[in-house]
Amino acid sequence: GAVVSQHPSWVICKSGTSVKIECRSLDFQATTMFWYRQFPKQSLMLMATSNEGSKATYEQGVEKDKFLINHASLTLSTLTVTSAHPEDSSFYICSTRRGQGDTGELFFGEGSRLTVL
Amino acid sequence: GQNIDQPTEMTATEGAIVQINCTYQTSGFNGLFWYQQHAGEAPTFLSYNVLDGLEEKGRFSSFLSRSKGYSYLLLKELQMKDSASYLCAAWDSNYQLIWGAGTKLIIKP
Repeated sequence: GAVVSQHPSWVICKSGTSVKIECRSLDFQATTMFWYRQFPKQSLMLMATSNEGSKATYEQGVEKDKFLINHASLTLSTLTVTSAHPEDSSFYICSTRRGQGDTGELFFGEGSRLTVL
Repeated sequence: GQNIDQPTEMTATEGAIVQINCTYQTSGFNGLFWYQQHAGEAPTFLSYNVLDGLEEKGRFSSFLSRSKGYSYLLLKELQMKDSASYLCAAWDSNYQLIWGAGTKLIIKP
């Protein structure tokens, strides 16, 4: 069964509105959650790493005030796209891995496809 | 800079064998992953290699040569459901995951 649950799967919104995407770890406590963005026919691009109880670490070029990340519990991380614009339309995916420092596989959420009109 | 190279697209026939190559240049190396991604879906884990050699898992096998910065994913007895993108990703010395752009595999009857 699913290890990481992400929703919504699809969201369409008007330009200027905000959208929240939730990512839940179902089988284990996720101290770290990775948020990716993927444009059509392109690779996964890491946006930020969220850490439970502390501020997220953003990759270069990612606006932290636009993409708000909250990781308030060991099983839930959220990404809020604020004042969304059509260029923010993309496939957003969260992922995590078991254990602190574990170098094993990443478990991905189902992904959220955002379309901004 | 750090880079992962893999072919953009490959075509194979149902029942055949296909090998998808991946070369990497990273600052340090802590292992290489292969993921499968169907269109519109999130990636799913296929394999992880950190030592040289071939690891077999059912119809899928993954090979690594650290000295050559090279890996391949071998898919046997291809099925139509294997049509997907296959992503190669490598851990660098800081355990930062560097992703390839993916290889779109098209399976024909």
